[in-house]
Amino acid sequence: DAGVTQSPTHLIKTRGQQVTLRCSPKSGHDTVSWYQQALGQGPQFIFQYYEEEERQRGNFPDRFSGHQFPNYSSELNVNALLLGDSALYLCASSPGTRLAKNIQYFGAGTRLSVL
Amino acid sequence: ILNVEQSPQSLHVQEGDSTNFTCSFPSSNFYALHWYRWETAKSPEALFVMTLNGDEKKKGRISATLNTKEGYSYLYIKGSQPEDSATYLCAFSGGGSYIPTFGRGTSLIVHP
Repeated sequence: DAGVTQSPTHLIKTRGQQVTLRCSPKSGHDTVSWYQQALGQGPQFIFQYYEEEERQRGNFPDRFSGHQFPNYSSELNVNALLLGDSALYLCASSPGTRLAKNIQYFGAGTRLSVL
Repeated sequence: ILNVEQSPQSLHVQEGDSTNFTCSFPSSNFYALHWYRWETAKSPEALFVMTLNGDEKKKGRISATLNTKEGYSYLYIKGSQPEDSATYLCAFSGGGSYIPTFGRGTSLIVHP
């Protein structure tokens, strides 16, 4: 049983560009959440997708958007990249939207560097 | 902004030592606390989900306790092994939000 997979593993972009990160959830999971981990910080919640809709959102600007497909996989899009967007982006899946009580299964992340 | 603090930031122990570290969080409107183990170049792995004051969870040599009234959780590792080397993260949900707030983690290195 494949766990959560993310692609690509590493990515280098320049300021102002746009980037798309991808995530396939663990088999049987219908909910995907995205997190940003900046250097020296804990992961910070970006948003959660369930039934192809954004259900919950953290304190991130509209430059961060996402999408969920019928097969439950998800994309994270970041527009107009800033240097401060350089971080590890983690995807987590769970069986349902209850962030507090459900165990989340994480991918290994995508390391984004913005030059 | 919810304040979730983990201490110490890093810890070096010898194989066979027992160790513990702390996660502190706001003591009001508690929903849940999660502990994760994150080995280098791997995915964070859930260890425990704790929801009730006084909860004690155990998984092999690792155990955790929860005090929601005073706002802290302890993670204990008995007889540390080199394979326990990892960053241990806690994530708090509460204060009116189900969205988890992560601490910065405790980096544990176990020397053979």
